[in-house]
Amino acid sequence: AQSVSQHNHHVILSEAASLELGCNYSYGGTVNLFWYVQYPGQHLQLLLKYFSGDPLVKGIKGFEAEFIKSKFSFNLRKPSVQWSDTAEYFCAVTPYNNAGNMLTFGGGTRLMVKP
Amino acid sequence: NAGVTQTPKFQVLKTGQSMTLQCAQDMNHNSMYWYRQDPGMGLRLIYYSASEGTTDKGEVPNGYNVSRLNKREFSLRLESAAPSQTSVYFCASSEALWGQGFEQYFGPGTRLTVT
Repeated sequence: AQSVSQHNHHVILSEAASLELGCNYSYGGTVNLFWYVQYPGQHLQLLLKYFSGDPLVKGIKGFEAEFIKSKFSFNLRKPSVQWSDTAEYFCAVTPYNNAGNMLTFGGGTRLMVKP
Repeated sequence: NAGVTQTPKFQVLKTGQSMTLQCAQDMNHNSMYWYRQDPGMGLRLIYYSASEGTTDKGEVPNGYNVSRLNKREFSLRLESAAPSQTSVYFCASSEALWGQGFEQYFGPGTRLTVT
């Protein structure tokens, strides 16, 4: 079975700082990868996804992520964070051709951006 | 489109009581899912339904049952609630039945406390 590891549980940044959140997965085959965000008191929303093609994917709100197959990683980046980026971020993976499209989530990274 | 809706939003149960969490989606998706979210553990899949008429266990099914009532609705039942089931429960739906993964759309969640 696949697993997802998010290295940073809590991150505190000042506004305008750059952000990189780590995500590593364990699965030997082809995967689809996702980053979801959960703002305080809200449900999960998709930030970005990787299915195939260009390993650098761009999502909403200036976020991007790079899929490095050799490292089994899919790190999330943003050049300059804002206070409104305060949220919890989840990396998720599903094997390609997975019946039922089941996602495996990482434990989440709580980001706090100080104004 | 309401997307994915869940009821109730909050619930407090005593140990041993039963209840059903309701979920409905209006996106004509084939697949539906129930997750629980606990601090530091991300989201863990309880049950899923790859298509109308089928249900399967996820990672943490013990203590729960599900019913895929029709294509729109997928309910989660706790027959005899235990304090370990205190959690936030999310329902999600997805277009893909098999093949390339599609993103999952999440409901607003149900915060359940078992005393």
